[in-house]
Amino acid sequence: DAMVIQNPRYQVTQFGKPVTLSCSQTLNHNVMYWYQQKSSQAPKLLFHYYDKDFNNEADTPDNFQSRRPNTSFCFLDIRSPGLGDAAMYLCATSRVDRGDGYTFGSGTRLTVV
Amino acid sequence: QKEVEQDPGPLSVPEGAIVSLNCTYSNSAFQYFMWYRQYSRKGPELLMYTYSSGNKEDGRFTAQVDKSSKYISLFIRDSQPSDSATYLCAMSGSGGYQKVTFGTGTKLQVIP
Repeated sequence: DAMVIQNPRYQVTQFGKPVTLSCSQTLNHNVMYWYQQKSSQAPKLLFHYYDKDFNNEADTPDNFQSRRPNTSFCFLDIRSPGLGDAAMYLCATSRVDRGDGYTFGSGTRLTVV
Repeated sequence: QKEVEQDPGPLSVPEGAIVSLNCTYSNSAFQYFMWYRQYSRKGPELLMYTYSSGNKEDGRFTAQVDKSSKYISLFIRDSQPSDSATYLCAMSGSGGYQKVTFGTGTKLQVIP
C-alpha cells in the first residue's frame, strides 16, 4: 500500500544532543511537510518542500532544519533539542494540484531528557 | 482571534448516539474543508473532505459546510466505541499550493 512512513516511532534524546527524524513516502506526492504537535494542540507547520523548493514558516526556530534528498525522503534535524521541543512530529504529503488534504505518517514522539 | 475555532471537548456519548462536531472559521478564502481522525499516539487520517458549500455523506459520516455562516460540521450516526478519537477540522484555499489550517481538535469518547 502507498503510504507515509516515519522512523523511529519513539525517540528519546538528551538535552542539546542533535537528533534526526526521517520520513519516506511511496505516494510520489510533490509536497512534503513537517508538523509539530503538542498535547491538545493543533498541528503546527514547521516547513514544507514543494518539490525541491524549501519553504520555512516565519516562526519556525532556527534550531529546526530539514533536508529532502529526493522525492521519497525527507528529514527533520533538530540541532540542539530543548525540553520545549518534546512533541509529536508529523510528516505529511500532498499533491499540489489537489485540495483533498494530506496523507500523514504515524508520527515520531520525541522525548527530551 | 484564531482562523479556525474548534471546541476541544472532551465529548462523551453513549454508543449508538448521533455525534455532532463543529468548527467555525474567519477566512472567507477557505474553499476546501476536511475532517481528520486522530487516534491516540497516531498521525491524523483523512476522514472526509468537501469543496465549497454543501453536504457529503460517507457511510455513517456526514460533512456539512455552510460558507455563509463560516461553519462546518461532522455528524457521526450510530456512534461506535471505535469512533473514540480526536477529530480535527482543517481547511485551505484553492489554486496551486495552499497552506492547510487545522483546528485544535475535539476529543470524542463513545461509551459502550
